[in-house]
Amino acid sequence: SYELTQPPSVSVSPGQTASITCSGDKLGDKYACWYQQKPGQSPVLVIYQDRKRPSGIPERFSGSNSGNTATLTISGTQAMDEADYYCQAWDSSPNWVFGGGTKLTVL
Amino acid sequence: EVQLVESGGGLVQPGGSLRLSCAASGFTFSTYSMNWVRQAPGKGLEWVSYIRSSSTTIYYADSVKGRFTISRDNAKNSLYLQMNSLRAEDTAVYYCARGDPAGGAGCDSWGQGTQVTVSS
Repeated sequence: SYELTQPPSVSVSPGQTASITCSGDKLGDKYACWYQQKPGQSPVLVIYQDRKRPSGIPERFSGSNSGNTATLTISGTQAMDEADYYCQAWDSSPNWVFGGGTKLTVL
Repeated sequence: EVQLVESGGGLVQPGGSLRLSCAASGFTFSTYSMNWVRQAPGKGLEWVSYIRSSSTTIYYADSVKGRFTISRDNAKNSLYLQMNSLRAEDTAVYYCARGDPAGGAGCDSWGQGTQVTVSS
């Protein structure tokens, strides 16, 4: 079965750039999405089709996807960005796969 | 405003059944594909099932195939998940989410979730 691998945690200082990776076999041949989930809340879509931002998502969120790795980048990270982040991709099994999640700490 | 409101969760014994519902409003429900996604306590997200707008295409995760049934009633703007032969590992918050994996659009709207606990 298809798997997506994320680092369990990433730390960043306020105002700096955070990068969260998501790895999967030939992931660059699929579309990747990214979700933000804060404690006790439902997930929020922050990136779809590798690099597009839904309405209302700040410009500091961006995405890329090539080879075996998709990356979520948060520029000028703010304290409010502290959350769990999940990548997602569609496998033709069919199966809509999530990565294990990355806890972003802003300190 | 798009709203998705889940209901029907609760405590059930192993081997039991539950039927979850998701009431949709604020958009033309009949034109959107829908999903169920779950999250076990302290764990990550797990996609459970997908249904196309017209119910012509349905997918399930291997972990629930043969035990869960997704359905929808477009006249009632409602999505359902019939869960049978429940196991302890099915314990999770269950979310309904609007979206279609085709084209990489993702799930752009989520409900608040309903808790399902399978325990004796």
